[in-house]
Amino acid sequence: DVKVTQSSRYLVKRTGEKVFLECVQDMDHENMFWYRQDPGLGLRLIYFSYDVKMKEKGDIPEGYSVSREKKERFSLILESASTNQTSMYLCASSLIAGGPRETQYFGPGTRLLVL
Amino acid sequence: AQKVTQAQTEISVVEKEDVTLDCVYETRDTTYYLFWYKQPPSGELVFLIRRNSFDEQNEISGRYSWNFQKSTSSFNFTITASQVVDSAVYFCALSEAGPGTYKYIFGTGTRLKVLA
Repeated sequence: DVKVTQSSRYLVKRTGEKVFLECVQDMDHENMFWYRQDPGLGLRLIYFSYDVKMKEKGDIPEGYSVSREKKERFSLILESASTNQTSMYLCASSLIAGGPRETQYFGPGTRLLVL
Repeated sequence: AQKVTQAQTEISVVEKEDVTLDCVYETRDTTYYLFWYKQPPSGELVFLIRRNSFDEQNEISGRYSWNFQKSTSSFNFTITASQVVDSAVYFCALSEAGPGTYKYIFGTGTRLKVLA
């Protein structure tokens, strides 16, 4: 079974803090993704990565950066957290081989509250 | 442009009722993939099904069934004899062949509440 884990289930941070969200997958997947989920908006892609040190902007990258130093780990960084970044953050991974038909497997999510 | 619409924001049913969750998509590609995911209160999205654009056969898995109709660009999901454990948010997603092939387009989700 694919396992995607996220470092925290709940986080509370202050405005202006630097926030790190970590994601680890154990199935040797090339692709990794960060989404945020907000009521009424569904899931929106922030960044994705198809290889170590490679990254691509998603639909809402502003205010975020990412790091992928190892294949199994993909980090989302909020350089200076703001209240509008309060959200549920979901990490996912998938194989690259099948392209668009590959299933994405999700972690349990991190609920971030920025005060 | 690609888009997925789940017009039903929230549905409430009584246990043992059948319920259908609608998903309508837009794409210009002839090759694409459709997915359904379940998000229980625990938060993790659980994969339910994938369907490619060339396979319009309906699929049944236990109490779950999916109706894919290219003519109406719909990929609807039916739960038969619903149970309280089916209470969750359900997402439909679209993946296209082409640049950025790893991206999913998600609908906004339908919250299903099954009442005992």
